[in-house]
Amino acid sequence: NAGVTQTPKFQVLKTGQSMTLQCAQDMNHEYMSWYRQDPGMGLRLIHYSVGAGITDQGEVPNGYNVSRSTTEDFPLRLLSAAPSQTSVYFCASRRGQGREQETQYFGPGTRLLVL
Amino acid sequence: AQKITQTQPGMFVQEKEAVTLDCTYDTSDQSYGLFWYKQPSSGEMIFLIYQGSYDEQNATEGRYSLNFQKARKSANLVISASQLGDSAMYFCAMREGDAGGTSYGKLTFGQGTILTVHP
Repeated sequence: NAGVTQTPKFQVLKTGQSMTLQCAQDMNHEYMSWYRQDPGMGLRLIHYSVGAGITDQGEVPNGYNVSRSTTEDFPLRLLSAAPSQTSVYFCASRRGQGREQETQYFGPGTRLLVL
Repeated sequence: AQKITQTQPGMFVQEKEAVTLDCTYDTSDQSYGLFWYKQPSSGEMIFLIYQGSYDEQNATEGRYSLNFQKARKSANLVISASQLGDSAMYFCAMREGDAGGTSYGKLTFGQGTILTVHP
């Protein structure tokens, strides 16, 4: 298993540009989520999905869109990039509920710089 | 109020010694989960250990153990026999509420503790 993969690893955008951060997992996990990590603030939840076709907002959803057309993929779209979106973005997935299934596994992250 | 508080921005430990990283949490839920993750300088998030709120025994995973004190709302990570490779940022996180169906169970992270292991 490749686990959770993210592309690109690093991206530079200009203010106002749009882009999509890709996330895929090959573990057949139902639950997927996107976090951003900023210095001194830990990780904060942007959006999450509990299955194909079902998404919802997390703690900091403004400026981001998600969709979940398949179990494997959960892309994050930046509609109009702003410098405040400069951050490291992590995608995570987990199988379900219960002790053995609720642990979240993270991708390697995407470093985004918005100029 | 902070949901997860890690009061130690940085910790130092001598190789082969044990170290405790502090974590306190705040929730009114009866069902919740507590996690510790390690983030080395390479940036990935590595799951270390999990404790459920109804677990009666402290969780252990190899050299990692979680000192769970429910009444005090603390979930400290204990690393025994520290190794140089343990130098990293460590995050405590909590899942509140249901962890299934459409509730998802949002994971809230603390701000992290940087651990440095000296030879």
